[in-house]
Amino acid sequence: SQKIEQNSEALNIQEGKTATLTCNYTNYSPAYLQWYRQDPGRGPVFLLLIRENEKEKRKERLKVTFDTTLKQSLFHITASQPADSATYLCALDGSGGSNYKLTFGKGTLLTVNP
Amino acid sequence: GAVVSQHPSWVICKSGTSVKIECRSLDFQATTMFWYRQFPKQSLMLMATSNEGSKATYEQGVEKDKFLINHASLTLSTLTVTSAHPEDSSFYICSAPRGGFTEAFFGQGTRLTVV
Repeated sequence: SQKIEQNSEALNIQEGKTATLTCNYTNYSPAYLQWYRQDPGRGPVFLLLIRENEKEKRKERLKVTFDTTLKQSLFHITASQPADSATYLCALDGSGGSNYKLTFGKGTLLTVNP
Repeated sequence: GAVVSQHPSWVICKSGTSVKIECRSLDFQATTMFWYRQFPKQSLMLMATSNEGSKATYEQGVEKDKFLINHASLTLSTLTVTSAHPEDSSFYICSAPRGGFTEAFFGQGTRLTVV
């Protein structure tokens, strides 16, 4: 069965540095890969989507890469700020190409220290 | 952007009672909605797909008689946890897709505590 791993449960960095989060998957070939932010006690909020034929996507201080050969996505936050502290979730679209029926990783809790 | 609203945000109930959670799409119609459950430090797990005007589709291992889903209108889906037990305590989240948008829109979640 498909499996998603975000191999860092927690990541602590200093303000101003670049945070890099990793998402690996197996037994799957997604058409899309998405990244969400989740704050404590809240639902996920969409950040970025990258398609299988895209290598990189950027949005303000965020950058996502997608390597379908390695079956890996990297999520970068540059010039990190304490307000970026949250759990970041990687999600793959469901089988059959439905990009709304998502399979999530466990998430990485990012803490940006001032 | 699209807004999905869940109610209540949190609920505490006694073991054996039933609890209803509402999920509304506020500015768009949603023929399909999804219900997820999240335990502490775990990923969101899809429980079921709610389909307007027809039966919900449940994921493997989810008891359909325990988690009743009703999608009676294009803007409202409800999840009823029947005969709740402490092990049902969790964070329940709904999402709805919106035409023209590739991402999913999530509600704010409902924290259920069964005592």
